[in-house]
Amino acid sequence: QQQVKQSPQSLIVQKGGISIINCAYENTAFDYFPWYQQFPGKGPALLIAIRPDVSEKKEGRFTISFNKSAKQFSLHIMDSQPGDSATYFCAARITSYDKVIFGPGTSLSVIP
Amino acid sequence: SAVISQKPSRDICQRGTSLTIQCQVDSQVTMMFWYRQQPGQSLTLIATANQGSEATYESGFVIDKFPISRPNLTFSTLTVSNMSPEDSSIYLCSVGYRGRTGELFFGEGSRLTVL
Repeated sequence: QQQVKQSPQSLIVQKGGISIINCAYENTAFDYFPWYQQFPGKGPALLIAIRPDVSEKKEGRFTISFNKSAKQFSLHIMDSQPGDSATYFCAARITSYDKVIFGPGTSLSVIP
Repeated sequence: SAVISQKPSRDICQRGTSLTIQCQVDSQVTMMFWYRQQPGQSLTLIATANQGSEATYESGFVIDKFPISRPNLTFSTLTVSNMSPEDSSIYLCSVGYRGRTGELFFGEGSRLTVL
């Protein structure tokens, strides 16, 4: 129940296209849903996050869509650039335990 | 934000030995965590490092194998004991602030190879 599912495992997108990564969860105790971006050889870095009382959050080219009833959320990267090529992890926080659970990750490659 | 330094950045160790990884933060933080990331895989939480008390371990991780210390609000260590090749992984220190624990800051990790 503390699992976060993520798809696809890998994604190839043309430069300028839209990258979409989907996540799902079961545990209703999750109350905060961040996305992390990780480049090879680096630690993950917080990209954008959303609370379940909000249906959408946009920061620049990155948008999170959240569907509380379906227990699903997704990351959209508009106008994808080669510099966006990285591994993306969706995650969820359990407030009562103050810990963050990560999804399995999506390897994104943006090709020119 | 917080700047996190981990040492060593990488090491090659022999089976049966132990290695201690250090995590130093440039400011006082409420929460410190240790994650493991196996090559090409996701992050798995090992434990929450508690200042002045025993760490809180996740299922599948035990203190005898992964002893953790946190003597103050800016420093923690993780020891990987009696290593086997299965312990080859990247170990990541992460920090957060109570009330904002979804916003984690990570070090660059310590890549451990056990022969």
